[in-house]
Amino acid sequence: DGGITQSPKYLFRKEGQNVTLSCEQNLNHDAMYWYRQDPGQGLRLIYYSQIVNDFQKGDIAEGYSVSREKKESFPLTVTSAQKNPTAFYLCASSIRLANEQFFGPGTRLTVL
Amino acid sequence: GIQVEQSPPDLILQEGANSTLRCNFSDSVNNLQWFHQNPWGQLINLFYIPSGTKQNGRLSATTVATERYSLLYISSSQTTDSGVYFCAVPSGTYKYIFGTGTRLKVLA
Repeated sequence: DGGITQSPKYLFRKEGQNVTLSCEQNLNHDAMYWYRQDPGQGLRLIYYSQIVNDFQKGDIAEGYSVSREKKESFPLTVTSAQKNPTAFYLCASSIRLANEQFFGPGTRLTVL
Repeated sequence: GIQVEQSPPDLILQEGANSTLRCNFSDSVNNLQWFHQNPWGQLINLFYIPSGTKQNGRLSATTVATERYSLLYISSSQTTDSGVYFCAVPSGTYKYIFGTGTRLKVLA
């Protein structure tokens, strides 16, 4: 069954902690993306990756970091430098950049 | 950069009614996506439609790229159609710009 998985579904973090959100895809897509969604809002791009070992900042990259060591995996780390990390995080992939995107189920992060 | 506007922002329908959602964009695009975000947050792909018309069951979409808009038609709406509908268009070579969405509630 091809698709995108994200884990965990819910995540609670204490202030000052770094946390890592997982994103895995088995669609053989080259491009992957991380978005942030705040309540009642649209999606904003955090980071994107065109290919393995390459990634670029999106519109709101401050306080976040990523890696792309494998084609299938694009983990996102929310660092303590992110001032307001409570949000819904969505991972997506596409065959190439700016092609049809497919989304994972999301991770809801809450800072306590 | 390109601007994307969706209307109406909110819509309440009785089950069985039809509706039309609109997406306007400020610059020419070579593709456009419609998504449905269900109450659990999952974004479901509805259409990938650079131009013309596509149909999938009770849903259809039309994009008129030369006039910079796309329409999503929902016929015989069901309560499971409730959620938020987003359109998204590419900006440059790497990213999509999402509209602010239309929040649809279908009443039984």
